[in-house]
Amino acid sequence: DAGVIQSPRHEVTEMGQEVTLRCKPISGHDYLFWYRQTMMRGLELLIYFNNNVPIDDSGMPEDRFSAKMPNASFSTLKIQPSEPRDSAVYFCASSLLGNTEAFFGQGTRLTVV
Amino acid sequence: QKEVEQNSGPLSVPEGAIASLNCTYSDRGSQSFFWYRQYSGKSPELIMSIYSNGDKEDGRFTAQLNKASQYVSLLIRDSQPSDSATYLCAVVPGTALIFGKGTTLSVSS
Repeated sequence: DAGVIQSPRHEVTEMGQEVTLRCKPISGHDYLFWYRQTMMRGLELLIYFNNNVPIDDSGMPEDRFSAKMPNASFSTLKIQPSEPRDSAVYFCASSLLGNTEAFFGQGTRLTVV
Repeated sequence: QKEVEQNSGPLSVPEGAIASLNCTYSDRGSQSFFWYRQYSGKSPELIMSIYSNGDKEDGRFTAQLNKASQYVSLLIRDSQPSDSATYLCAVVPGTALIFGKGTTLSVSS
């Protein structure tokens, strides 16, 4: 398996623009997690899905953030409108079961100018 | 609020020494515990998992868990310069992994 695949690897956008980050989990994994990493706050859980259903979105910072998982092999994280403070590395991870190890994608480095 | 605490470091050790990394967590109901390694500019990679009290060894790595004290540690024996990275402690209080901010380890040759 190719592992968790994220795209794009880097994204530079202007404040106010819409940004969409994409993730393909490991085939057969039932759980998908979105994390955001910054120097100040570390690795924060934003939202996670089980069998394509959002289970806990309490980590989503604002209504500007939304996530979907239309099928078992694809998820998106959207920020609309984007702001400079959204600049961070966004990771997608997947796991076979809940309560087990998660495997991370390469991340998307987002810069909002 | 579920929290995972780690000393940010940097922790500096000479090559060949033992590096000791520590982590405490707030949710007493947590059942699964992990250590991830993250090189600069890369994604976190799993190096150890531990689920029950005591020690678990894998090569040069030993994870230790004490649920009564809500404490997890990672020992790295015979530290190598290639071990220089940030080590993230992760705890599962429910379903998802909650991470500490990480400890930066520097191994000098």
